Amino acid sequence: DTGVSQDPRHKITKRGQNVTFRCDPISEHNRLYWYRQTLGQGPEFLTYFQNEAQLEKSRLLSDRFSAERPKGSFSTLEIQRTEQGDSAMYLCASSPSRGARGTDTQYFGPGTRLTVL
Amino acid sequence: AQSVTQPDIHITVSEGASLELRCNYSYGATPYLFWYVQSPGQGLQLLLKYFSGDTLVQGIKGFEAEFKRSQSSFNLRKPSVHWSDAAEYFCAVGVRTGTDKLIFGTGTRLQVFP
Repeated sequence: DTGVSQDPRHKITKRGQNVTFRCDPISEHNRLYWYRQTLGQGPEFLTYFQNEAQLEKSRLLSDRFSAERPKGSFSTLEIQRTEQGDSAMYLCASSPSRGARGTDTQYFGPGTRLTVL
Repeated sequence: AQSVTQPDIHITVSEGASLELRCNYSYGATPYLFWYVQSPGQGLQLLLKYFSGDTLVQGIKGFEAEFKRSQSSFNLRKPSVHWSDAAEYFCAVGVRTGTDKLIFGTGTRLQVFP
């Protein structure tokens, strides 16, 4: 069990540029979550995947944000036309499928810290 | 609406002293409750969770938490703090719908003096 991995760990970009982050969940975890954490705040839910299906999106996820999970494996989060307000830590988490043991626990990756200049 | 309140933004304790971090939640049914710890620049590590059953739950690193339904609280405790416990601590409630997404509090930063 190698844990949840995220790439890159840090990203600095200029306002208006597009960025893409990747998350590799724990293998065999069907459920995948994205959260955003701004300075001095707790993580806030962005979106949820069960296998390849995106089943819930937060109102925080504006039209500039898109997430995918092709084939139910890794996931990507893309931000188009970045704004300074997008600067945050983007966290990915995974958990086993509902009904499986430990389904109530989410395991977090180290996060991607985005800085928009 | 579901919410989590952590009233203490910053707590400072001496090494070896006892610790209690407060957490209050708002949730319409029996909640899933979690405590996570985050070291600087790192992701979140699960300390412990309450799902059902015994209201006093034991976690890793010597932490424990007690679920009190009457007070809507899930306070985290440790009898003797170590310098390595300095970190940010987050309480969270799991929304028991199809997603089981987590609602986090704003966190409590723990500083430990030698």
